[in-house]
Amino acid sequence: QLVESGGGLVQPGGSLRLSCAASGFTFANYEMNWVRQAPGKGLDWVSYISSSGGIVDFADYAGSVKGRFTISRDNAKNSLYLQMNSLRAEDTAIYYCATCSTNCYTGGFDIWGQGTMVTVSS
Amino acid sequence: DIQVTQSPSSLSASVGDRVTITCRASQSISNYLNWYQEKPGKAPKILIYAASSLQSGVPSRFSGSGSGTDFTLTISSLQPEDFSTYYCQQTYSTPFIFGQGTKLEIK
Repeated sequence: QLVESGGGLVQPGGSLRLSCAASGFTFANYEMNWVRQAPGKGLDWVSYISSSGGIVDFADYAGSVKGRFTISRDNAKNSLYLQMNSLRAEDTAIYYCATCSTNCYTGGFDIWGQGTMVTVSS
Repeated sequence: DIQVTQSPSSLSASVGDRVTITCRASQSISNYLNWYQEKPGKAPKILIYAASSLQSGVPSRFSGSGSGTDFTLTISSLQPEDFSTYYCQQTYSTPFIFGQGTKLEIK
């Protein structure tokens, strides 16, 4: 199970940190993603972080958020985070965390949270 | 980045119809293509992974095919609960881009 939190109303240029609490599986072994959906729009992949098998976790970002958002994980707390800085109106969306039971590359995203709403507005 | 172009953007059909949605990748992605169903107020649900593998619990009226750059999602006999929005997604490499979506509406 995945449960997101941390959403809310923030002014343009502001920051917000989203959290995703995982339960029911060995979190450290799972790749994780953030996906968002703006009101009335389609799904938009935001960021990926690898499972903690190597020395350093691999992370990647959509071009629209690169340099502003940072994904991280705390395996001891079974938690995924998304630090969002320099927020813009176009970042307004429901943010979902999602993971993959097998492998994200070959198996797609089969476990999703319920989402948390982020609104960027003055 | 590998782009995926989905078509049509909307589709009207009737219960019992057979419908097909297509997705084209900007370069070969082997079979690293997934299909999702999205309903208002709910998290997306994966239907098909690896282009043609049916996710556990998904009705067999859903099927996927294709490899390389061209892929299709077929619903063999539309049921009332199938009227929703569908997305393809490439997971060959990050960024894991989604298609623009196909809204399936009742005729």
